[in-house]
Amino acid sequence: KNQVEQSPQSLIILEGKNCTLQCNYTVSPFSNLRWYKQDTGRGPVSLTIMTFSENTKSNGRYTATLDADTKQSSLHITASQLSDSASYICVVTPGDGGYNKLIFGAGTRLAVHP
Amino acid sequence: NAGVTQTPKFRVLKTGQSMTLLCAQDMNHEYMYWYRQDPGMGLRLIHYSVGEGTTAKGEVPDGYNVSRLKKQNFLLGLESAAPSQTSVYFCASSSMNFGYTFGSGTRLTVV
Repeated sequence: KNQVEQSPQSLIILEGKNCTLQCNYTVSPFSNLRWYKQDTGRGPVSLTIMTFSENTKSNGRYTATLDADTKQSSLHITASQLSDSASYICVVTPGDGGYNKLIFGAGTRLAVHP
Repeated sequence: NAGVTQTPKFRVLKTGQSMTLLCAQDMNHEYMYWYRQDPGMGLRLIHYSVGEGTTAKGEVPDGYNVSRLKKQNFLLGLESAAPSQTSVYFCASSSMNFGYTFGSGTRLTVV
């Protein structure tokens, strides 16, 4: 069964520190992997998207990595800010699907404390 | 601002009541979707549409109906609400060459 597992479920860090969120998936074949940020009470907003041939993608202080061989991705946040407090969702698109086949992880809830 | 607008933002229903959630997008996207988000779970696709006048079932369609009479609007209906439909509902739109844009969500409670 195609699944996306994220860890940890929740994380608390101090402002200015770095952190790394993990995403493991069993989706095969695989087309692309996206990371979204979801603020409380808002819809998800795209941070990065990587195809199977890419192994890193950055968006400001956010850097996503992808290892298609081990089916793992990570999202690294550098010099965290209070505004980074949100849920981060890993989303995988199967290679045999399309726009209606996205598989969502349950998310990691990040809290950045001053 | 361009994007996806959902109405209402909050709603409380009694078991057995009906309601319609409205989603409107102004980006001329072909594809539109309705998802539900429950605690501890990823978003799950309820129904989707690949164009005006077309709809299709997603992963969890039971108890919901949809309509897309105009390209910019996608309606989600609950004919007889049940407590199991308590959730946060998100609408999204996309095009073939552009990623998803999500609305801000509708928090529905069925008592």
